[in-house]
Amino acid sequence: EAGVVQSPRYKIIEKKQPVAFWCNPISGHNTLYWYRQNLGQGPELLIRYENEEAVDDSQLPKDRFSAERLKGVDSTLKIQPAELGDSAVYLCASSLVFSGQFSGNTIYFGEGSWLTVV
Amino acid sequence: QQQVKQSPQSLIVQKGGIPIINCAYENTAFDYFPWYQQFPGKGPALLIAIRPDVSEKKEGRFTISFNKSAKQFSLHIMDSQPGDSATYFCAAILTQGGSEKLVFGKGTKLTVNP
Repeated sequence: EAGVVQSPRYKIIEKKQPVAFWCNPISGHNTLYWYRQNLGQGPELLIRYENEEAVDDSQLPKDRFSAERLKGVDSTLKIQPAELGDSAVYLCASSLVFSGQFSGNTIYFGEGSWLTVV
Repeated sequence: QQQVKQSPQSLIVQKGGIPIINCAYENTAFDYFPWYQQFPGKGPALLIAIRPDVSEKKEGRFTISFNKSAKQFSLHIMDSQPGDSATYFCAAILTQGGSEKLVFGKGTKLTVNP
């Protein structure tokens, strides 16, 4: 079974340029997460989707970041325009969550998209 | 806001040693505590997890000790091997209304020397 697939793996862009990351979650998983991981830090949640609905985007910098999850499967995360401080690893994760039933041990991460803004 | 505090930041042990990584939390509403292992260039992978009503859980060489009254939990790696060299993250999950929020500690970089 394929895991969480992310692309591109690596991206170098100049500041003020746009960038987009794509994520394909594990088949059947209804919950999708985007995390940002700065060097030497733990991942921090940017946005969480349950099916097509963004249920937690409180940590997403909405002035320059946007995300979508069309048809409740694949998702894209966009940054426009990128700033130097956006250099980080952007991790996508997915899980199968049943309403009212805890499933915290089934969150699977992709290998991440490494962004360098110069 | 650091909801889960992890220490030490880095740890070096010899092969066969028992590294211990500690974490502390404040929010008593957290209801699940996983540990993730991350190798360079890879995403975090679930290693072991524990519920707050359990004081200890062991899976292979990995053991979680949980102290609910102190709001602390720790990871012990028995008979550590060079292949265990990685960054370890403790985390805590808050379940509310059927949704889940996962927060991570800052990580501990473990080096196991041969």
